[in-house]
Amino acid sequence: AQSVSQHNHHVILSEAASLELGCNYSYGGTVNLFWYVQYPGQHLQLLLKYFSGDPLVKGIKGFEAEFIKSKFSFNLRKPSVQWSDTAEYFCAVTSSGGSYIPTFGRGTSLIVHP
Amino acid sequence: SQTIHQWPATLVQPVGSPLSLECTVEGTSNPNLYWYRQAAGRGLQLLFYSVGIGQISSEVPQNLSASRPQDRQFILSSKKLLLSDSGFYLCAWSEKGLAGGQFFGPGTRLTVL
Repeated sequence: AQSVSQHNHHVILSEAASLELGCNYSYGGTVNLFWYVQYPGQHLQLLLKYFSGDPLVKGIKGFEAEFIKSKFSFNLRKPSVQWSDTAEYFCAVTSSGGSYIPTFGRGTSLIVHP
Repeated sequence: SQTIHQWPATLVQPVGSPLSLECTVEGTSNPNLYWYRQAAGRGLQLLFYSVGIGQISSEVPQNLSASRPQDRQFILSSKKLLLSDSGFYLCAWSEKGLAGGQFFGPGTRLTVL
């Protein structure tokens, strides 16, 4: 069975700092990869996704993620965070051609101080 | 545009009472539907998913059940709640193949006393 690891459970940054949240998965086949964000009091929403093509994916609000197949990773990045980026971030993986059932990581809580 | 509704938003129930949480989706047809439980620091635990009316798959054996009586309606139930059923329950939908990712509802906070 596939699994997803988000190694950073809690991250605290100051505004304008750079962000990188780790996501590693354990599945040797073709995968689809997702990052979701949950702002305080709001629904979980899709931040970005990778299915195929350019391994550097750009999402909403200046976020991007890079799929590195050799490292089984899909790390989320943002060059300069804002206070409004304070949220919980979840990485998810599905195996391409398989079920429609994503496996989620445990999430990373990001707090950005103004 | 598509919308997903969940109700109630919060619920406090005594141990041993029944449960019914409802989720409906608008603006799409034949979606995949999912029930998750979200616990702090533990991510999202998939409870049930459905690829069509009457088709339910259970991921975790437990005190809960799910039903899909209509294409865009997904219900989470229990005959007798346990204290351990307390939590935050999320409904989600996706298109087949997950091309657009999943879309989540606002959730129901269930407290079993």
